Amino acid sequence: KAGVTQTPRYLIKTRGQQVTLSCSPISGHRSVSWYQQTPGQGLQFLFEYFSETQRNKGNFPGRFSGRQFSNSRSEMNVSTLELGDSALYLCASSLAFGQLNEQFFGPGTRLTVL
Amino acid sequence: AQKVTQAQTEISVVEKEDVTLDCVYETRDTTYYLFWYKQPPSGELVFLIRRNSFDEQNEISGRYSWNFQKSTSSFNFTITASQVVDSAVYFCALSEESRSSASKIIFGSGTRLSIRP
Repeated sequence: KAGVTQTPRYLIKTRGQQVTLSCSPISGHRSVSWYQQTPGQGLQFLFEYFSETQRNKGNFPGRFSGRQFSNSRSEMNVSTLELGDSALYLCASSLAFGQLNEQFFGPGTRLTVL
Repeated sequence: AQKVTQAQTEISVVEKEDVTLDCVYETRDTTYYLFWYKQPPSGELVFLIRRNSFDEQNEISGRYSWNFQKSTSSFNFTITASQVVDSAVYFCALSEESRSSASKIIFGSGTRLSIRP
């Protein structure tokens, strides 16, 4: 079956703009988590969604938000982009909620903020 | 507070050598989970193993093996007879899990492993 897909794969934006990233989980998976990966801060957890509800959130400012749709697809939005938001954004899906469940990662969206 | 330390930033070995990636963690919880992920150049993280804090039994999967020692708060990963395809960044991670509540996963900074032919 198809893996986790993320669109777009690459994105270039300028400071102050906003961006929306999309993640389609593996069919049947209901939980979607988002992570930010940067050279300086490494891999950091952003948030987790299950059944259209945010279940957990990492330590990121309110400019980072997300949502999940009834088909489990998820989007994350970053408003008022800053240079430091340049990163690889990874999405992971799992069957159910929580880290007990194995997470399957997508290829990521590489965001560059100029 | 949770913390995962991967002191080895980069390791380079010749093919067929054995290599061990170190992982040291800190947590105040008695129930937690440890993970290893592989990130090849393509970018996506590949799950390798999950171990809960009550299971200190070492695990072997083909050329991969993991040594979990609570006494030293370590969860080391060994690749035996390394191959070029093992070249990747490897992340160790820790999650304090409760079935009834949300969890957070903390990643180490990663170890870049290069296997030279």
